[in-house]
Amino acid sequence: KNEVEQSPQNLTAQEGEFITINCSYSVGISALHWLQQHPGGGIVSLFMLSSGKKKHGRLIATINIQEKHSSLHITASHPRDSAVYICAGRNKLVFGAGTILRVKS
Amino acid sequence: EAGVAQSPRYKIIEKRQSVAFWCNPISGHATLYWYQQILGQGPKLLIQFQNNGVVDDSQLPKDRFSAERLKGVDSTLKIQPAKLEDSAVYLCASSLVTGKDTEAFFGQGTRLTVV
Repeated sequence: KNEVEQSPQNLTAQEGEFITINCSYSVGISALHWLQQHPGGGIVSLFMLSSGKKKHGRLIATINIQEKHSSLHITASHPRDSAVYICAGRNKLVFGAGTILRVKS
Repeated sequence: EAGVAQSPRYKIIEKRQSVAFWCNPISGHATLYWYQQILGQGPKLLIQFQNNGVVDDSQLPKDRFSAERLKGVDSTLKIQPAKLEDSAVYLCASSLVTGKDTEAFFGQGTRLTVV
């Protein structure tokens, strides 16, 4: 079993929709990265959080330490948000399989 | 602040040839990671360095893959000989130290195609 599990694997949304991507992790992981990877591009770090909630523009990340669960939300989604979103656990940098997001106009 | 630099961006080689990738982490970052990302999958850790020492290389196929970070700064990853299944993006990441409160930064990756 992977230490970091993401869902869904694939997600297609209509422009403007509210999007949620989920990440569950195992014991020993005390913080999470949320990362974005565009096709052919490198990985960009969106958030790193170990508690509570962080917001940047239309992106919101939350984490529940007790439940070992984190979510990435995108409000008012746009086609340019189409990318692979990956959660990665800290202390050792362990990656989930990624969620392929496609936002249609 | 300069980011993590990787080169080359793209490489195409024939199977059984050798290839090397280079990574220069952010200045001052003690921890350096190499990952292999096969198309459609999340990145898989190949090796983690703390300064010039290896912290974790449990998933590195040591019969063909090698990596070094001799001076604790930049690092090279080598594949010799390459197989078709080595086709992937090779990502380098660095962080100030290993630990929960330190953010990791990623290079653009090297896309390797083995034909």
